[in-house]
Amino acid sequence: DVVMTQSPLSLPVTLGQPASISCRASQSPLYSDGNTYLNWFQQRPGQSPRRLIYKVSNRDSGVPDRFSGSGSGTDFTLKISRVEAEDVGIYYCMQGTHWPWTFGQGTKLEI
Amino acid sequence: QVQLVESGGGVVQPGTSLRLSCAVTGFSFRVYGMHWVRQAPGKGPEWVAGVLFDGNIEQYADSVKGRFIIARDTSRNVGYLQMNSLRTDDTAVYFCAKDDGTGYWGQGTLVTVSS
Repeated sequence: DVVMTQSPLSLPVTLGQPASISCRASQSPLYSDGNTYLNWFQQRPGQSPRRLIYKVSNRDSGVPDRFSGSGSGTDFTLKISRVEAEDVGIYYCMQGTHWPWTFGQGTKLEI
Repeated sequence: QVQLVESGGGVVQPGTSLRLSCAVTGFSFRVYGMHWVRQAPGKGPEWVAGVLFDGNIEQYADSVKGRFIIARDTSRNVGYLQMNSLRTDDTAVYFCAKDDGTGYWGQGTLVTVSS
């Protein structure tokens, strides 16, 4: 199975400041169709995980543009340009290229 | 627009069975397979099972192998997860997802296994 390793696991941030979460895959999520199925999820307290970013850098509808995803190969990053209070929660990366789908351990973002 | 709606969750006793359903719109199970993912309380998401679009390949997490069965009714565009011999550690919110690698799933259905 592809192991997804996130860092840091805990991320204290200051409102208005940037934040960055790293995700490293033990095997590249690049698929034979040319797409890289690396996705990011946000889980606010008491809610189910909500997809933020799919295929490395595509923001879902309704996701603020302060969220951005980047990366290639086995190293990927989720960035928040200016953290807002509503961004508190746990962030997960997930690869959907290889079966089984696998998830990172989660990064807890707190103000 | 792709939509997945899970249903069938509830409170059941250990050792019993439950069947979850996943009604989809916006795509066809004749073209795409499906997955089930779950999230236990206080834990991260965990992939449970997947089936290819043609139904020829099914794969299961070790934790559910031999107890759960993934299936689809392509004529009705509904997916299923038959869960047998349920254990307390199967307690989770269960999500179904389209097999397109992007991890888009529905709102989930809560399964609680408790005596």
